[in-house]
Amino acid sequence: KAGVTQTPRYLIKTRGQQVTLSCSPISGHRSVSWYQQTPGQGLQFLFEYFSETQRNKGNFPGRFSGRQFSNSRSEMNVSTLELGDSALYLCASSSLRAGDYEQYFGPGTRLTVT
Amino acid sequence: DQQVKQNSPSLSVQEGRISILNCDYTNSMFDYFLWYKKYPAEGPTFLISISSIKDKNEDGRFTVFLNKSAKHLSLHIVPSQPGDSAVYFCAASARTGGGADGLTFGKGTHLIIQP
Repeated sequence: KAGVTQTPRYLIKTRGQQVTLSCSPISGHRSVSWYQQTPGQGLQFLFEYFSETQRNKGNFPGRFSGRQFSNSRSEMNVSTLELGDSALYLCASSSLRAGDYEQYFGPGTRLTVT
Repeated sequence: DQQVKQNSPSLSVQEGRISILNCDYTNSMFDYFLWYKKYPAEGPTFLISISSIKDKNEDGRFTVFLNKSAKHLSLHIVPSQPGDSAVYFCAASARTGGGADGLTFGKGTHLIIQP
């Protein structure tokens, strides 16, 4: 079974620009979550989507948004990029079948804002 | 405030010995705990989990212990192997309605297995 895939793997953007990251979950997984990893703050939860609906949201500004499509693929968008948005963005999927709450992570997208 | 704490940034253990990684949490609503292993430039890899209704879960060389009264969990790796060298993250979740709430992660412990 293929794992979680994320594209692109690396991205360099300029302050003020916007960026869209993509995530394809494990086949059959309907829940997709996004995380930001930085050296200072560690891994922080951004939001979770299930059946095209955002169900949970972390403590991030409205510049961070996302969506999920009917095939469970998800995109994350960051508008008006700031230098502090430079991070590894990780996507995780979960089946949420009875008793299975583990989240499986993709390799991440390394975003550098200059 | 940090709701999940891994107080040891690094840990060095000899090959063949037991590695014990510790994690403390403050949020009483957490009822599901997970350990992840991470290599540089890769996403975290799920290792083992435990529900708050249990106090121990084993999977091969990995055992997780949960002490709810102390709000403490630990991961035991026996025996430790060179390939176990990585950063280990403890994560916790407060599941509501059976959903997968966002995981709250500790800052990680860098485990180094010495030959």
